[in-house]
Amino acid sequence: GAGVSQTPSNKVTEKGKYVELRCDPISGHTALYWYRQSLGQGPEFLIYFQGTGAADDSGLPNDRFFAVRPEGSVSTLKIQRTERGDSAVYLCASSLTLLGAPGELFFGEGSRLTVL
Amino acid sequence: AQSVTQLGSHVSVSEGALVLLRCNYSSSVPPYLFWYVQYPNQGLQLLLKYTTGATLVKGINGFEAEFKKSETSFHLTKPSAHMSDAAEYFCAVSDGEGAQKLVFGQGTRLTINP
Repeated sequence: GAGVSQTPSNKVTEKGKYVELRCDPISGHTALYWYRQSLGQGPEFLIYFQGTGAADDSGLPNDRFFAVRPEGSVSTLKIQRTERGDSAVYLCASSLTLLGAPGELFFGEGSRLTVL
Repeated sequence: AQSVTQLGSHVSVSEGALVLLRCNYSSSVPPYLFWYVQYPNQGLQLLLKYTTGATLVKGINGFEAEFKKSETSFHLTKPSAHMSDAAEYFCAVSDGEGAQKLVFGQGTRLTINP
């Protein structure tokens, strides 16, 4: 498809389990972002990749959260030892990288994570 | 740190009426400002953005926003609401000079009454 694809769209897991969320960005977009959106809130920044490297991971809440983008395209967000507070919609976005202003973010529909 | 405040988590207007969604920002550097819209069961999409130049910015679907530095505001308006405008709207600011990431407000849900 032409847009940002996220899988799974829904994930229900038990407290303490490991979860992986996948993002397939728009082809040719060098920048990739992960955001988290809790109910009634705006997207909260988690991590930003420029190519294969994490350019800014300051939003990751703790060391249970980790993300990779090994070939500069698909990215995986990994959450270890999930907690109920991790329940949220995890959004992925990609963009071209522009000098100066941030590029337009193209968002996927999100992966809804529910931790029981 | 940069921040965004959207006044009113819910706004309801009649079809054909003016839409006004308020956004105030805090930024230590000249800001880049954005409005994104999220329709039901869809991903967020860009409505409009201000980077430099003209302070009145026009976007898709008849929306526009004006950057007012003195008021640190970037309110979103549309002269005449359509039923199809019902969605959640998010204001965002770039997180610092040259920063690629955005800081989002908490969102405003717009309801259109027939």
